[in-house]
Amino acid sequence: AQRVTQPEKLLSVFKGAPVELKCNYSYSGSPELFWYVQYSRQRLQLLLRHISRESIKGFTADLNKGETSFHLKKPFAQEEDSAMYYCALSASPGGTSYGKLTFGQGTILTVHP
Amino acid sequence: DSGVTQTPKHLITATGQRVTLRCSPRSGDLSVYWYQQSLDQGLQFLIQYYNGEERAKGNILERFSAQQFPDLHSELNLSSLELGDSALYFCASNAGIPNYEQYFGPGTRLTVT
Repeated sequence: AQRVTQPEKLLSVFKGAPVELKCNYSYSGSPELFWYVQYSRQRLQLLLRHISRESIKGFTADLNKGETSFHLKKPFAQEEDSAMYYCALSASPGGTSYGKLTFGQGTILTVHP
Repeated sequence: DSGVTQTPKHLITATGQRVTLRCSPRSGDLSVYWYQQSLDQGLQFLIQYYNGEERAKGNILERFSAQQFPDLHSELNLSSLELGDSALYFCASNAGIPNYEQYFGPGTRLTVT
């Protein structure tokens, strides 16, 4: 079974401070990992995914297979980063669960001025 | 705008009733996913359709059913509603295999009284 854990429901930082949103997963194969973000009153949207190894809005996330983690990081948080962040996992191609996303419980990030 | 539309935006109904939620995917997307977001369960995958056929099933109750029509829009039917069914129901779409990113709609907020 696949599982995603985001241990922090709430995370508060000050503007300019580094931020790290934690995500751990449980999956027997090689998963695809994603971070989705939901700004206030907006729809869920993809922030980044591990296969593209890109940096979006200053955020990066590295997949650590040994620790089964995919933590989201940003060196200098901005007020506009305040949102709900979801870590999600998709099974590898060929698996019976391929295509569906398993989400963590989400972390509400608040960046104070 | 991701292009996924959902109707209605809000729905208030009584226990025991039946409702239908509608989703129109992005133009060209063949796959539709339904998710339920509630305070206690978080974001949970319900069901996926690909080009009219059921592709994957998640934690979907027997009281719930879905279908995808030839024009690719999808409907989620919820019957014998209970108070615990109150939630935000999201639809997402993508092109299907091997495209991973899912584009989410704004959701339908269902309140069962």
